[in-house]
Amino acid sequence: EVQLVQSGAEVKKPGESLKISCKGSGYSFTSYWIGWVRQMPGKGLEWMGIIYPGDSDTRYSPSFQGQVTISADKSISTAYLQWSSLKASDTAMYYCARQVRDGYNPGSGFDYWGQGTLVTVSS
Amino acid sequence: QSVLTQPPSVSGAPGQRVTISCTGSSSNIGAGYDVHWYQQLPGTAPKLLIYGNSNRPSGVPDRFSGSKSGTSASLAITGLQAEDEADYYCQSYDSSLSGWGVFGGGTKLTVL
Repeated sequence: EVQLVQSGAEVKKPGESLKISCKGSGYSFTSYWIGWVRQMPGKGLEWMGIIYPGDSDTRYSPSFQGQVTISADKSISTAYLQWSSLKASDTAMYYCARQVRDGYNPGSGFDYWGQGTLVTVSS
Repeated sequence: QSVLTQPPSVSGAPGQRVTISCTGSSSNIGAGYDVHWYQQLPGTAPKLLIYGNSNRPSGVPDRFSGSKSGTSASLAITGLQAEDEADYYCQSYDSSLSGWGVFGGGTKLTVL
């Protein structure tokens, strides 16, 4: 059974750093793109970026380029999303999701989703 | 402002058919990139309804169908049911810069 299990909710202060995780199981972790999606309170979905764990090829949305870092450790089938300096505006639910396998196409849909990690940034 | 444009809301009575549009541009849908659709119920993660413009994952009822033409795509839901009340999002890929994914702003479906 394919599963993506995300790390737990976080409460941080502005300026702090944070790294959240997404552990995949039940499939070949290195053969599927994994993406991160932000959902701010009461708002829509935002595509942040994706990584192909097999070769660490990473693509970012222009809105998030330079603001976050996406990485993966294929030895433990885990993808990460990290911030070096959080802002209050980073308060949101963050989902990781696996893309439908479609060759090396980074534009496919997300077929399996993690449960979400709620990040709250407040002084 | 989302790269893909969806109507903020649609509604329909049980049993009716509704459609949700998703309008893009020549750098995403019009460039030939696939469109995917998701359903999000309150407090839950999104669920893939349609991928590759018109393909349904296993387990998604055939009441849901997708199509694409030019720079737009549509999701159709027939035989509307109360449990279809949710937010719906389209997603595609954009070739500008180094390439990145894009979502529509979402459409709230109300079953009257």
